[in-house]
Amino acid sequence: EAGVAQSPRYKIIEKRQSVAFWCNPISGHATLYWYQQILGQGPKLLIQFQNNGVVDDSQLPKDRFSAERLKGVDSTLKIQPAKLEDSAVYLCASSAVAGGLGEQYFGPGTRLTVT
Amino acid sequence: EDKVVQSPLSLVVHEGDTVTLNCSYEVTNFRSLLWYKQEKKAPTFLFMLTSSGIEKKSGRLSSILDKKELFSILNITATQTGDSAVYLCAVAVYSGAGSYQLTFGKGTKLSVIP
Repeated sequence: EAGVAQSPRYKIIEKRQSVAFWCNPISGHATLYWYQQILGQGPKLLIQFQNNGVVDDSQLPKDRFSAERLKGVDSTLKIQPAKLEDSAVYLCASSAVAGGLGEQYFGPGTRLTVT
Repeated sequence: EDKVVQSPLSLVVHEGDTVTLNCSYEVTNFRSLLWYKQEKKAPTFLFMLTSSGIEKKSGRLSSILDKKELFSILNITATQTGDSAVYLCAVAVYSGAGSYQLTFGKGTKLSVIP
């Protein structure tokens, strides 16, 4: 089975610019997550979708970050405007188990550098 | 605030050594504890533990959970250079409305030298 796909793999932008990341989960997985992983830290959950509805976005900085999951499949995460502290790897994950109790499968991530 | 603490943060061993990685947690609404291996970018799943005292085993890796003392250990025997990676511990907590979220520790960076 194909894994979680993400693009782009790398992105360099200047502060105050905007950027968007794309994620395609494993086919049939209803739950989708976006994580931010800063160097030397574990992944931190930004937002969790169940189908195309948001389940948890309590840690998403909503003044600059937004995410959507149209038709309950692909998802995009946007940052506008970017700050230096947004430099991180953005990981997308999906889970077959509704609600996210089971194993999560991670994509390769997008490494964002904000200069 | 939910907290997951891993130790040590980094470890260097020689091939053939046995290592023990530690993970302690303080969370509300605990449901399970998961271990992941992160080599380049994407963490890959190793184990999910929900019950105390039951060892999960996969080849040279094994893990156990102690829900009374709130910790888990991951053992790797006869280490190989391919075991070099960051090992992440995550705890699944119930966040309401039928959903669960993972809180990760910072990870233990294991380096295995020939």
